[in-house]
Amino acid sequence: NAGVMQNPRHLVRRRGQEARLRCSPMKGHSHVYWYRQLPEEGLKFMVYLQKENIIDESGMPKERFSAEFPKEGPSILRIQQVVRGDSAAYFCASSPGDTAYEQYFGPGTRLTVT
Amino acid sequence: AQTVTQSQPEMSVQEAETVTLSCTYDTSESDYYLFWYKQPPSRQMILVIRQEAYKQQNATENRFSVNFQKAAKSFSLKISDSQLGDAAMYFCAYRSGSGGSNYKLTFGKGTLLTVNP
Repeated sequence: NAGVMQNPRHLVRRRGQEARLRCSPMKGHSHVYWYRQLPEEGLKFMVYLQKENIIDESGMPKERFSAEFPKEGPSILRIQQVVRGDSAAYFCASSPGDTAYEQYFGPGTRLTVT
Repeated sequence: AQTVTQSQPEMSVQEAETVTLSCTYDTSESDYYLFWYKQPPSRQMILVIRQEAYKQQNATENRFSVNFQKAAKSFSLKISDSQLGDAAMYFCAYRSGSGGSNYKLTFGKGTLLTVNP
């Protein structure tokens, strides 16, 4: 049973470019969460999605950041016009439902903005 | 809002010895879950142990055990017979057990554990 998949593992973007981070949840999981880890910090919640719905995006910056989880395909976290402060590790987690309290994490995508 | 505090940025232990990592949290809720995650150099987040607040018995998983003090809002992790593979960043995390935001994990800043041979 494959775990949560994220790609790419490493992504380098110049300031002003767009970054697209992908997350494929575990088989059977329909709930996806994105977290960001800044250097020397713990993970911070960004957004919670179910298939075709954003449930809570309260942790996501209002501008430049968006997320989706389409009916088919992976969840996408999109960062437009990246800045140096966006450099971080972005983790995706999934769970089978909102009543399940365990979230399974992917290996993360390390974004570097030059 | 809930907060999680890990007061030890770094800890070290000799191989085969025991080490305890501290975590305190702040919440007004009575129903919640607490977790310890391990993040080795690969950066993969690995669940080590979890504790339901309504359970009085401390959780254990092989060499890992917790000391859960609900009144004191303390949740420490004890690693017995430390092994070189235990070297990692350890994060304490909180999750509400009820209400509209019962899916968010709130993490502490982490404790970097070094295991000396």
